[in-house]
Amino acid sequence: QKEVEQNSGPLSVPEGAIASLNCTYSDRGSQSFFWYRQYSGKSPELIMFIYSNGDKEDGRFTAQLNKASQYVSLLIRDSQPSDSATYLCAVTYRGNQFYFGTGTSLTVIP
Amino acid sequence: KAGVTQTPRYLIKTRGQQVTLSCSPISGHRSVSWYQQTPGQGLQFLFEYFSETQRNKGNFPGRFSGRQFSNSRSEMNVSTLELGDSALYLCASSLEAGGNYNEQFFGPGTRLTVL
Repeated sequence: QKEVEQNSGPLSVPEGAIASLNCTYSDRGSQSFFWYRQYSGKSPELIMFIYSNGDKEDGRFTAQLNKASQYVSLLIRDSQPSDSATYLCAVTYRGNQFYFGTGTSLTVIP
Repeated sequence: KAGVTQTPRYLIKTRGQQVTLSCSPISGHRSVSWYQQTPGQGLQFLFEYFSETQRNKGNFPGRFSGRQFSNSRSEMNVSTLELGDSALYLCASSLEAGGNYNEQFFGPGTRLTVL
């Protein structure tokens, strides 16, 4: 059973702070890692992906991957109220099947 | 480039009926995946199609089926609807199957309510 675990939250941070979202996965064969954002009543939208150990930065977002610890995280710098959403972690193995975590709810307080 | 489209956006059915949902992927995308999303279970993978063939299947009963056409459009069918089938059904497309670096892009979803 391939599992993707996320803390459901809710996670609350003040505006301008750094929000840290975490995800662990069970299968060491995992090869691709994705972060999606989902606003209430909307479909998930891709924020970023990471394949290699280390950090990957895109604007205010940084994804961090540690395959040895089977851990992937998303940092959101200078958090804005518009970042308030549910963040979904997804993992793929061989092939194109995605496994999603249940998501972490983030609230950015003005 | 147009995004993933799904029709209809909303559906209300009664128990025992069947329903067909449609998904048109992003132009050039050949892989279509279907998911069921409920508040308690999150995103659950239903199946994935590539070049008109089902490549992967999740743990759903045989009442859930799908197909893909030569133009990559896909349909999903649920027969003998149950109350528990009420959910948001999401379709996602990606450029190709088989590789490990294929981002999936989601459509707006079809909200199915079973009464």
